[in-house]
Amino acid sequence: NAGVTQTPKFRVLKTGQSMTLLCAQDMNHEYMYWYRQDPGMGLRLIHYSVGEGTTAKGEVPDGYNVSRLKKQNFLLGLESAAPSQTSVYFCASGGAVVNEQFFGPGTRLTVL
Amino acid sequence: AQSVTQPDIHITVSEGASLELRCNYSYGATPYLFWYVQSPGQGLQLLLKYFSGDTLVQGIKGFEAEFKRSQSSFNLRKPSVHWSDAAEYFCAVGPRGGTYKYIFGTGTRLKVLA
Repeated sequence: NAGVTQTPKFRVLKTGQSMTLLCAQDMNHEYMYWYRQDPGMGLRLIHYSVGEGTTAKGEVPDGYNVSRLKKQNFLLGLESAAPSQTSVYFCASGGAVVNEQFFGPGTRLTVL
Repeated sequence: AQSVTQPDIHITVSEGASLELRCNYSYGATPYLFWYVQSPGQGLQLLLKYFSGDTLVQGIKGFEAEFKRSQSSFNLRKPSVHWSDAAEYFCAVGPRGGTYKYIFGTGTRLKVLA
């Protein structure tokens, strides 16, 4: 039981490049979330999903897209990376609305 | 607007001393409340949670938190801090009433002096 895993762990991009971050969970959770963590700002919700095939915008969705084609996977895409997207990205999943969230180890992304 | 405030950005305590980390929230109803801990380079781990009932909740690693409705607070406490408690701590409110979003505070970084 791996919990929540994220791929890759680190990445450096040039401005304008694209990439996809993969989040996978093996706990059969319905809810999945993508956050970004920046110094002094805590965690801010980018997008979330309440089930396979559904996605919704969070607090800071601009510049990101997501897909949840399979229940266990939640992909975060950056179509044209910008330096403002330099951050640590965390994925989380939850089995029910009131339960705790289980977090992945994070992806550290630098955009030059 | 819903919000979570952690007024202390940094806290330094000596090993063996007691600890209290503050958390205040603004929410339309009694929220679900959480404390998470993040060690350097790691994801967040749940310390404890409050849903209803007894307002003093116990968590892992010897932590406890008390929900005070009148003060809209959910402060985290530990009687005796260990060097391994050095980390960043996040308070969060969880969703009620049809929303699915959690709201996190900005975190309190704890330093422990030997």
